[in-house]
Amino acid sequence: RKEVEQDPGPFNVPEGATVAFNCTYSNSASQSFFWYRQDCRKEPKLLMSVYSSGNEDGRFTAQLNRASQYISLLIRDSKLSDSATYLCVVNPYSSASKIIFGSGTRLSIRP
Amino acid sequence: NAGVTQTPKFQVLKTGQSMTLQCAQDMNHEYMSWYRQDPGMGLRLIHYSVGAGITDQGEVPNGYNVSRSTTEDFPLRLLSAAPSQTSVYFCASRGGDLGYEQYFGPGTRLTVT
Repeated sequence: RKEVEQDPGPFNVPEGATVAFNCTYSNSASQSFFWYRQDCRKEPKLLMSVYSSGNEDGRFTAQLNRASQYISLLIRDSKLSDSATYLCVVNPYSSASKIIFGSGTRLSIRP
Repeated sequence: NAGVTQTPKFQVLKTGQSMTLQCAQDMNHEYMSWYRQDPGMGLRLIHYSVGAGITDQGEVPNGYNVSRSTTEDFPLRLLSAAPSQTSVYFCASRGGDLGYEQYFGPGTRLTVT
């Protein structure tokens, strides 16, 4: 089993829709969690951190479910500019030296 | 601040050639890492460093060497290029341990023929 797993998609949704992705992780001792966004042929950039209490930033909401070992990302009122690949990032160790990236979920927003 | 810079942006090598991918950051970050990204595989850690003079292997270190003589620079050396090393290489840096954001360079697209 991979340490971090994501549905590769693509998710193809109309503008204005709400879309959600999940990411599962295998190590129950994982300490910190993030969502990164990667545009085509560009470097990944931090979208948001995921805290135990959840995290909301405008149209984006991230949640952590430790019992079931997954994190989620919800995008409300999706925009064309949200089209990208969303990478789940998990730190499975007490030190952040070897953080693990999921292979990403592709999202395409259509007009 | 330039952030994380990488050179070159593109490179084509023949099998067996060696070369060094350069990475530099001007944020005084302790942690630096090299990743490769292949279609459907996500980002895989090659080598990382937690400070000047300290390096360690990641998930896929074979065929690559690194050194960290200064805080700013973290070059990645391909010893004898192979077609399996065709990939996009990203360098990243981070200011601290748990919970800190990673900043990525723009990447180097390497093709080995």
